[in-house]
Amino acid sequence: KAGVTQTPRYLIKTRGQQVTLSCSPISGHRSVSWYQQTPGQGLQFLFEYFSETQRNKGNFPGRFSGRQFSNSRSEMNVSTLELGDSALYLCASSLKEGGGSGNTIYFGEGSWLTVV
Amino acid sequence: KNQVEQSPQSLIILEGKNCTLQCNYTVSPFSNLRWYKQDTGRGPVSLTIMTFSENTKSNGRYTATLDADTKQSSLHITASQLSDSASYICVVSANGRGSTLGRLYFGRGTQLTVWP
Repeated sequence: KAGVTQTPRYLIKTRGQQVTLSCSPISGHRSVSWYQQTPGQGLQFLFEYFSETQRNKGNFPGRFSGRQFSNSRSEMNVSTLELGDSALYLCASSLKEGGGSGNTIYFGEGSWLTVV
Repeated sequence: KNQVEQSPQSLIILEGKNCTLQCNYTVSPFSNLRWYKQDTGRGPVSLTIMTFSENTKSNGRYTATLDADTKQSSLHITASQLSDSASYICVVSANGRGSTLGRLYFGRGTQLTVWP
């Protein structure tokens, strides 16, 4: 079955612009989470959605937002882009919410965002 | 403070050799520990997941161990191949009421390079 699909794979934006990234989870998965990955910080949790509800949010400014649709697809938006937002943004999906041992988490290939 | 520390930060080995990567954590209460492999520019792929009661788990040439008493885990790679060159990330999940993916704690990874 198809894995987690993220679009676009690569994009370049200028400071001040906004960007929307999309994530289609594995069919049947209702939990979607987003992560920012930079060389210096590793993987940083952004937020998690389950059944269209935001379940948890990481320590990121309000410029970072997301949502989940009824078909479990999710989008994240970053407004007023800053140079420091350049990163790989990873989406992950799982059948259930949470990090329980019975819940395998599958990652997408990521969206590379470069802010210039 | 819940933290996951990995060592070494980077490692170079020759093809065919074995290696061991370390993960120490202070996450509490502990739920499970996962090892992921991330190829450059790709999303992380799950290798193993271990709960409190599991000491060892294998996935092909990858063997993970867990000592929940000392809060240490290791990932042993046997007979390394060029395709093993990647970042290996240790992820620890905390237990708790209503656990969410926000309770996943990530190490910064060990960058393994396998030379021919």
